[in-house]
Amino acid sequence: GAGVSQSPSNKVTEKGKDVELRCDPISGHTALYWYRQSLGQGLEFLIYFQGNSAPDKSGLPSDRFSAERTGGSVSTLTIQRTQQEDSAVYLCASSLAGLAGGDTQYFGPGTRLTVL
Amino acid sequence: GQQVMQIPQYQHVQEGEDFTTYCNSSTTLSNIQWYKQRPGGHPVFLIQLVKSGEVKKQKRLTFQFGEAKKNSSLHITATQTTDVGTYFCAGRGSGGSNYKLTFGKGTLLTVNP
Repeated sequence: GAGVSQSPSNKVTEKGKDVELRCDPISGHTALYWYRQSLGQGLEFLIYFQGNSAPDKSGLPSDRFSAERTGGSVSTLTIQRTQQEDSAVYLCASSLAGLAGGDTQYFGPGTRLTVL
Repeated sequence: GQQVMQIPQYQHVQEGEDFTTYCNSSTTLSNIQWYKQRPGGHPVFLIQLVKSGEVKKQKRLTFQFGEAKKNSSLHITATQTTDVGTYFCAGRGSGGSNYKLTFGKGTLLTVNP
């Protein structure tokens, strides 16, 4: 079946511009996560959506970052007034339930963002 | 907040040698997961450990979860060039926000044929 998809795969933008990154999770997965991975670094948690619950935004690095998930499916991560330090690969992952018991996260291919 | 440390950051081995990466959490974990990311790819789930002292094997890969559920290791026996990639551990806390995985920075494994 289809996995997690993300678009665009690459995005080059100028400093100060806004960008929108899209994530289509696996159908039926209620949990959705956004991570940021800088070159050679680990995964930095950004935000988590679970069903109709209020999202956990505790990982968002600044108020320039926001995300929404419409209809419990597709999610959009928006970065306003991009800065060069925002350059990274943005990864989306979904899981079946996001429960504390632990479940597998399925990652999308990521969006490589370059801010000039 | 919860921190997950992973060592070494890099490891280069000759094909056929063994490899081990270690993961340590600042807090007790409810479970730990391991992921592999091939160069240019995205993380792919390998395994999850839940029980104290648990050991799981996948062919040449052996995963261990410490008795105190604060550390874990991944050991690869007789590495092959297909093992190249970055191995991440990811711990899930046992506290309030226990859905959130905290990833280590990963260990990049390169294998010389």
